[in-house]
Amino acid sequence: GAGVSQSPSNKVTEKGKDVELRCDPISGHTALYWYRQSLGQGLEFLIYFQGNSAPDKSGLPSDRFSAERTGGSVSTLTIQRTQQEDSAVYLCASSLPGFNQPQHFGDGTRLSIL
Amino acid sequence: AQTVTQSQPEMSVQEAETVTLSCTYDTSENNYYLFWYKQPPSRQMILVIRQEAYKQQNATENRFSVNFQKAAKSFSLKISDSQLGDTAMYFCAFMKQGGNEKLTFGTGTRLTIIP
Repeated sequence: GAGVSQSPSNKVTEKGKDVELRCDPISGHTALYWYRQSLGQGLEFLIYFQGNSAPDKSGLPSDRFSAERTGGSVSTLTIQRTQQEDSAVYLCASSLPGFNQPQHFGDGTRLSIL
Repeated sequence: AQTVTQSQPEMSVQEAETVTLSCTYDTSENNYYLFWYKQPPSRQMILVIRQEAYKQQNATENRFSVNFQKAAKSFSLKISDSQLGDTAMYFCAFMKQGGNEKLTFGTGTRLTIIP
């Protein structure tokens, strides 16, 4: 079956532009997570969705970052007025509901801000 | 808040040898889960092994096993008979028990298997 799909795979944009990153989770996975991985670092949690609602958005670094999920499936992470420090790999993961369900990751979007 | 520490930024080992990656964590939680993820150059995070904190028995998955010391808050990964395909970044991660929860990651260990 299909895994978690993220698009685009790579994105290069100019400072100040807005970007949208897409995540298509595994079918039936109600939980969806966004993480950010800066160069040489571990993953940093951004936001968690359960269905279409986001009970934990504590990791979003500023109000330039927002995310939504529709139909309990696809999620988009939007970064407005991008800055150079936003350059990173953005990873999405999804999991089944319930306890101790492993998170399945996509291949990520590498975002480069010029 | 939880923290996860991986004190070995890089390691290398000869093919077929055994290597142990270290991980310590800090938490006030009593019920939680610990994970090791592998990230090859393809960027995809792959779950290697997981451990429930309430289980005393160490988890094992083929050539991968853990040494879980709850009192010491230590969770090391042992890779036996290492293979070239094991070359990757390895991340230790923590998750509170309580339904769907975020993962807290360490900064990773870059492991190179030398032919």
